[in-house]
Amino acid sequence: QVQLQQWGAGLLKPSETLSLTCAVYGGSFSDYYWTWIRQPPGKGLEWIGEINDSGSTNYNPSLKSRVTISVDTSKNQFSLKLSSVTAADTAVFYCARGGATYYDNSAYYYFDYWGQGSLVAVSS
Amino acid sequence: DIQMTQSPSSLSASVGDRVTITCRASQSISSYLNWYQQKPGKAPKLLIHAASSLQSGVPSRFRGSGSGTDFTLTISSLQPEDFATYYCQQSYSTPPYTFGQGTKLEIK
Repeated sequence: QVQLQQWGAGLLKPSETLSLTCAVYGGSFSDYYWTWIRQPPGKGLEWIGEINDSGSTNYNPSLKSRVTISVDTSKNQFSLKLSSVTAADTAVFYCARGGATYYDNSAYYYFDYWGQGSLVAVSS
Repeated sequence: DIQMTQSPSSLSASVGDRVTITCRASQSISSYLNWYQQKPGKAPKLLIHAASSLQSGVPSRFRGSGSGTDFTLTISSLQPEDFATYYCQQSYSTPPYTFGQGTKLEIK
């Protein structure tokens, strides 16, 4: 049974750096991309970025200048840093596993396991 | 970025009803389309991947269909636990992966 457990600071001031970590329990840590997704209160979901066990990353261009995702394979953990936060960054942040199913030599990618979510509020 | 548009944004229905939610992509995404269910205060749950493949453990009353730009999620007979918000998400080509704005399914 795969479980993702996440933690990090919940209240930040503008211009500070958001920092969250997600630990993966059960299942393989390699062979997957590990993802961060956020959801502002009452709004929809926004993909932030992903990393694999080799440290290869992809970021949302809208956040790329402020985002760093890192991995610690010795602990089966990955982390998110978002710099220079503003009130617009207030959201519930989720970590998730990027899984895939293969049909006809094509990989169909989805998010199949999620963390419990962390509310991060930015306020002066 | 590929834009995903869901309709309707909200929907009222009764237990036992058949409901359909539509998702349209701004360009063809083949079958790279997933559906999620989210209940208040909870993380999204994967229902359907690759447009029509039911995720393990998801009841068979959920059905996904479509390809290209137009997709649907159908719930054949609504159960009380199905009242939630539903999101589509595309995973075509390179990131960013984008979600629809959500469809809130409420009890009539």
